Amino acid sequence: QSALTQPASVSGSPGQSITISCTGTSSDVGAYNYVSWYQQHPGKVPKLMIYDVNYRPSGVSNRFSGSKSGNTASLTISGLQAEDEADYYCNSYTGGSTSYVFGTGTKVTVL
Amino acid sequence: QVQLQESGPGLVKPSETLSLTCTVSGGSMNNEYWSWIRQSPGNGLEWIAYVHYSGKTNYNFSLKSRVIISIDTSKNQFSLKLNSVTAADMAVYYCVRGAGWYADWGQGTLVTVSS
Repeated sequence: QSALTQPASVSGSPGQSITISCTGTSSDVGAYNYVSWYQQHPGKVPKLMIYDVNYRPSGVSNRFSGSKSGNTASLTISGLQAEDEADYYCNSYTGGSTSYVFGTGTKVTVL
Repeated sequence: QVQLQESGPGLVKPSETLSLTCTVSGGSMNNEYWSWIRQSPGNGLEWIAYVHYSGKTNYNFSLKSRVIISIDTSKNQFSLKLNSVTAADMAVYYCVRGAGWYADWGQGTLVTVSS
């Protein structure tokens, strides 16, 4: 099971919206609504931002939203802020022998 | 929100067994899944295995032949054993609550593989 494909980097100016893609296959992202997203600041523990494609845990800003179309899931950050600068990872259930696979990770830079 | 804390040797020799324990506090282990996830510079995040409080387990196929995950609810702990380690197993190992999405993470423990 290969890692899900994410762009290596995405950047935006404060206040802008950016979208991070997470591309899998019809066996993982395309097959199940079990995609989650994690934010990780340098040296810190990953933080759950989105689960089950588009649900936000309590305490996560509503500037973060998730969606899915076909084999690609997306995380959108609206009203970009300096504190959003971090690495972001997606994760999906695969239903197969690997069961869960992470994305390659995306570094978000706030210009 | 539960707290999780990993413990175990930070240095393991090649070909030996990596053993880690996660102690859960601030909540019950019942009716929950508990996982191990690792993060290495070269491979990003990788899900290793989960154990349900009932003892049901599931493993990443790529590691299945070398991994055992277990749980001891009486001690509020679950554990990971990874045998025949190589340099490729060097990573930060996290214990987490959940299977599929992970809301609660331990601080992580760096495991170095070196003789």
